[in-house]
Amino acid sequence: GQNIDQPTEMTATEGAIVQINCTYQTSGFNGLFWYQQHAGEAPTFLSYNVLDGLEEKGRFSSFLSRSKGYSYLLLKELQMKDSASYLCAVNTNAGKSTFGDGTTLTVKP
Amino acid sequence: DAGVIQSPRHEVTEMGQEVTLRCKPISGHDYLFWYRQTMMRGLELLIYFNNNVPIDDSGMPEDRFSAKMPNASFSTLKIQPSEPRDSAVYFCASSLAQTGEGFFGPGTRLTVL
Repeated sequence: GQNIDQPTEMTATEGAIVQINCTYQTSGFNGLFWYQQHAGEAPTFLSYNVLDGLEEKGRFSSFLSRSKGYSYLLLKELQMKDSASYLCAVNTNAGKSTFGDGTTLTVKP
Repeated sequence: DAGVIQSPRHEVTEMGQEVTLRCKPISGHDYLFWYRQTMMRGLELLIYFNNNVPIDDSGMPEDRFSAKMPNASFSTLKIQPSEPRDSAVYFCASSLAQTGEGFFGPGTRLTVL
């Protein structure tokens, strides 16, 4: 089975930087996804990491350490519209993604 | 491409009734996933298909749930009979490959009274 842990809630200030952590335990690891989900909407893809290191995409970056079973999503220059739930999902060799419970981020002025 | 299309967007039914949810994946995507999301359990994978073949249905909660994919452009998730605890948002997603980015449909909000 798989075990994925993320903080339930985080709060940050507009313009700041926030790091959302995700730890996982799985067999047959084949990559890790981050998705953003605004309330009442479907998840949308943010990033995918399969090798160790940092992937940068605009204001968002995602880091992976396979040996530690650890990933984080880094959001820079926070905007009010970044208030959402951020889901970490682990993909296995079987082609199946299992999602964490999500981290609800609230950005305050 | 219009993205993943799901219908209906909202469904309200009474306990014991049959419910059928529909999904049209993005053309050319080989993988199709059905998820259920609730406040209590988060986002759960129910079943997924590769090239129209069911690969893993271990997430299907019980025999009342069934899913089919008769062709590359259509899939259904059926609940019969429905129960109040089935109330949730059901998402369909498709992707190009095993490790591909998943594109989610808008979801079907199901309420079983």
